[in-house]
Amino acid sequence: AQSVAQPEDQVNVAEGNPLTVKCTYSVSGNPYLFWYVQYPNRGLQFLLKYITGDNLVKGSYGFEAEFNKSQTSFHLKKPSALVSDSALYFCAVRDGRNTGKLIFGQGTTLQVKP
Amino acid sequence: DSGVTQTPKHLITATGQRVTLRCSPRSGDLSVYWYQQSLDQGLQFLIQYYNGEERAKGNILERFSAQQFPDLHSELNLSSLELGDSALYFCASSVGMGAYEQYFGPGTRLTVT
Repeated sequence: AQSVAQPEDQVNVAEGNPLTVKCTYSVSGNPYLFWYVQYPNRGLQFLLKYITGDNLVKGSYGFEAEFNKSQTSFHLKKPSALVSDSALYFCAVRDGRNTGKLIFGQGTTLQVKP
Repeated sequence: DSGVTQTPKHLITATGQRVTLRCSPRSGDLSVYWYQQSLDQGLQFLIQYYNGEERAKGNILERFSAQQFPDLHSELNLSSLELGDSALYFCASSVGMGAYEQYFGPGTRLTVT
């Protein structure tokens, strides 16, 4: 079965510093990977996805993610964190063919301090 | 604003009752998904419909059912409610069935007392 793991419950960074939110995956076949962000009392917002091609994927709000097949990782990154980036981040993997069913990680809370 | 609407925003009901949650997908999207978010279970996939047909099922309880109507809106029916059903229920939509990004609604917060 497909799965994703987010090893950190919380990540703390100072504003202006680079940030990384980690995600590892376990899939059979080619992985289809996603990052979503959830702000308090809001639905999830799509950030970016990896389907195929370039291992560095660029997404919304200056975020990017690096796909690493050998390490089965898909870490989310941003060169310079903003206080407004503070939110709950979810990594997800598509489960199965001909379906959009997503399996989500447990989420990582990002806290950016001024 | 994702373009996905969900009603109601909040729902408080008693154990044993039945409720219906409603979702309208983004204009042009044919796929609708339902997810449940709770503190102990995290974000769990319940069910997917594509153009009116069920396409994928997760660990959805037998007490729960859903459907997608010809106008593509969807309803999630929860019956014989238990305290453990209290959660945030999200609807999402996407243009197709495959690896398309999903757009999430604001959710319905269900509290069972």
